[in-house]
Amino acid sequence: SQTIHQWPATLVQPVGSPLSLECTVEGTSNPNLYWYRQAAGRGLQLLFYSVGIGQISSEVPQNLSASRPQDRQFILSSKKLLLSDSGFYLCAWSLNSNTEAFFGQGTRLTVV
Amino acid sequence: GESVGLHLPTLSVQEGDNSIINCAYSNSASDYFIWYKQESGKGPQFIIDIRSNMDKRQGQRVTVLLNKTVKHLSLQIAATQPGDSAVYFCAESNQGGKLIFGQGTELSVKP
Repeated sequence: SQTIHQWPATLVQPVGSPLSLECTVEGTSNPNLYWYRQAAGRGLQLLFYSVGIGQISSEVPQNLSASRPQDRQFILSSKKLLLSDSGFYLCAWSLNSNTEAFFGQGTRLTVV
Repeated sequence: GESVGLHLPTLSVQEGDNSIINCAYSNSASDYFIWYKQESGKGPQFIIDIRSNMDKRQGQRVTVLLNKTVKHLSLQIAATQPGDSAVYFCAESNQGGKLIFGQGTELSVKP
């Protein structure tokens, strides 16, 4: 069966520090991969999605970037965090564009 | 469409009543729609989906209705239970791979 791993679960980082959140999927190949951010009490904002290795689509211009160095690995990065980067970050995968996405447990990032 | 900056609307129902949660989507090219349930501090969980060639689909205690003419989606929960209390999101997708979430509705079930 397929599983998705996202870590860390919580993270407190100072303003200006770098960020690297990792997400890996097991049990499938060539999945669609997604990064979302959710502010408290708000909806899910799509940040990046990838339909294949090396293919990254960015939805919101910001100081974040994403990479897919391997088929089932999706990394969210920042060179310098801002206070406004605080939030709940969720990684998800789907078999293709016509099947449901499955979510990781999320990373709660607090930038101080 | 995506309204991530807005506070979530709320729906309060009595235990045992039916709940109807509505969602408007923005992209007429979207051909696949999903409802998710999100409990506090957790990632969204799949509830039910529907493709654009259908207008109704039923699951266990849940029904999704799709009206492509007005770009509207609804989730009906029968005999709502306290465990149904959560935030519910609709999501739309197309062949390009983008999966966009709607605003979300917070459902509160009163015992």
